Amino acid sequence: GAGVSQSPSNKVTEKGKDVELRCDPISGHTALYWYRQRLGQGLEFLIYFQGNSAPDKSGLPSDRFSAERTGESVSTLTIQRTQQEDSAVYLCASQLAGWDEQYFGPGTRLTVT
Amino acid sequence: AQSVSQHNHHVILSEAASLELGCNYSYGGTVNLFWYVQYPGQHLQLLLKYFSGDPLVKGIKGFEAEFIKSKFSFNLRKPSVQWSDTAEYFCAVNVWSGGGADGLTFGKGTHLIIQP
Repeated sequence: GAGVSQSPSNKVTEKGKDVELRCDPISGHTALYWYRQRLGQGLEFLIYFQGNSAPDKSGLPSDRFSAERTGESVSTLTIQRTQQEDSAVYLCASQLAGWDEQYFGPGTRLTVT
Repeated sequence: AQSVSQHNHHVILSEAASLELGCNYSYGGTVNLFWYVQYPGQHLQLLLKYFSGDPLVKGIKGFEAEFIKSKFSFNLRKPSVQWSDTAEYFCAVNVWSGGGADGLTFGKGTHLIIQP
């Protein structure tokens, strides 16, 4: 079946501009996660959606970062007033239920110039 | 907050050598443990996982890992590596806190290069 998809695959933006990244999870997966992977670093948890519960935003690095999810489908991660340190690969993962394996998308490589 | 340490950031081995990648985590409660692999140009995929039961778990492609609770460790092993095992390997932990499981906490990864 179809896996997790993300778009765009690459995004180059100027410092100060807003960007929106999209994630389409596996159908039926109730949980959705966003992670950030900076060059040479591990993955950094950003935000977690579980069903209709309030999202866990504890990993968001600043108030410039926000994310939304419509029901149990598409999610968008928005970064406002981008900075060069926001350059990273942003990964989305979905999960059938709380303890299961997470399935990762291919990521969006964001470059802020 | 929990953390995951991978001791080897870069490992270079020859084909047929044995592999062991170290992973330690810092959480005393209930955890699930994972090893993910990212082959060149591909996205992250699960290698193996530990939820409960037998602490020695077997994954894909001949990999295995042993959960040693007393040492807070979950080391990855393979008796004989192949050139195709060249990849980035990530250890991750998922903990139970309050109302549910949190996002995965990842180690910084180990870049494994297998020389033919």
